[in-house]
Amino acid sequence: AQSVTQLGSHVSVSEGALVLLRCNYSSSVPPYLFWYVQYPNQGLQLLLKYTTGATLVKGINGFEAEFKKSETSFHLTKPSAHMSDAAEYFCAVSENGWNYGGSQGNLIFGKGTKLSVKP
Amino acid sequence: DAGVIQSPRHEVTEMGQEVTLRCKPISGHNSLFWYRQTMMRGLELLIYFNNNVPIDDSGMPEDRFSAKMPNASFSTLKIQPSEPRDSAVYFCASSLEVDIYGTDTQYFGPGTRLTVL
Repeated sequence: AQSVTQLGSHVSVSEGALVLLRCNYSSSVPPYLFWYVQYPNQGLQLLLKYTTGATLVKGINGFEAEFKKSETSFHLTKPSAHMSDAAEYFCAVSENGWNYGGSQGNLIFGKGTKLSVKP
Repeated sequence: DAGVIQSPRHEVTEMGQEVTLRCKPISGHNSLFWYRQTMMRGLELLIYFNNNVPIDDSGMPEDRFSAKMPNASFSTLKIQPSEPRDSAVYFCASSLEVDIYGTDTQYFGPGTRLTVL
């Protein structure tokens, strides 16, 4: 069964510093991978996703993530943190579809990483 | 599109009362998901439907919880009787049908904050 591990439940960076949020997954077949962001008192919003093609994926708000199959990783980065980036970030992997012995589709979420940005 | 719509946004009730949460998915989406989020347990999948049929309800905590999807544009999550430990934010999400590799983006509603006193 697939799983997602997010290293670090809390990450703190200074404004203007690099943001790196780590995500590793386990899947026996090529997965779809997602990063979601949740601002306080709001639902989850898609930041970016990888399905096929280019392994470096660009999302909203200057975030990007790179799919590395050999490392089973999908880390999220942003070159320069902004105060408005403070939120909780969730990595998710698609459950395998019918052709790979899975069910009719679900996302497996990591436990989330809370990002704090210091002025 | 209006996005996923949930009602009510906030619900405060007393222990033992019945609670019904409602969700309207994005038009054209045929997968619908109910999640619960708490500080202690994080984001948990309760149940999901595909083409109005429940596919996996293994996340439903106990028999007090039930979910229905009578048509493609409406779903309910019911708790009867409610208990204080059910206090949480409940999210509904919808997505398009999966392809052979897996599922597509889930779009989340704003959530219902439930407080059971």
